[in-house]
Amino acid sequence: EDKVVQSPLSLVVHEGDTVTLNCSYEVTNFRSLLWYKQEKKAPTFLFMLTSSGIEKKSGRLSSILDKKELSSILNITATQTGDSAIYLCAVVYGGSQGNLIFGKGTKLSVKP
Amino acid sequence: DTGVSQDPRHKITKRGQNVTFRCDPISEHNRLYWYRQTLGQGPEFLTYFQNEAQLEKSRLLSDRFSAERPKGSFSTLEIQRTEQGDSAMYLCASSLVPGVSHPGEKLFFGSGTQLSVL
Repeated sequence: EDKVVQSPLSLVVHEGDTVTLNCSYEVTNFRSLLWYKQEKKAPTFLFMLTSSGIEKKSGRLSSILDKKELSSILNITATQTGDSAIYLCAVVYGGSQGNLIFGKGTKLSVKP
Repeated sequence: DTGVSQDPRHKITKRGQNVTFRCDPISEHNRLYWYRQTLGQGPEFLTYFQNEAQLEKSRLLSDRFSAERPKGSFSTLEIQRTEQGDSAMYLCASSLVPGVSHPGEKLFFGSGTQLSVL
């Protein structure tokens, strides 16, 4: 069965800390991996990763894909309270039309 | 607002009633997804359309659920004879898929319809 597993499921840190969120996957015909941030309602796109070993960066957030290990990490440095959210990992896989499945998410709480 | 819009934002209904949700995707997007999300879970795939064609339905989508996208633009998701277990956030997302061999896609989500079945 195709699946995406995220860890930890929840995390509490203090402002200024650095966090690493993990995503591993088992799918047929992997195509790409996406990270989303969900604060209240709609998830918002962060990164799309297709090539192994190439880091994507946006401000204090960065992510990298390891196709050999079937995993990805999302790093957040110098965390702020505004980083508190659920971080979702999703994988596009399958045949020509593709499909996309999500992990359960990591709930990050950043305390002042 | 040129994002994905969903209507209504909230729906409270009694068990056994039928409900219908609407999703208006970003206008040039050809692919439209429906997901269901419950507390503490990631979004679960329900179904998706490429233009007006419904290409895949999840096993989660029982016979009580039906989705349409008649003209390849907006979509509706109907739940018949609602049950308490249907209570969830129903998310719609759209994307622009360039062709058959695309490496991935970015989904743009609507704010969802929160369904409560009493």
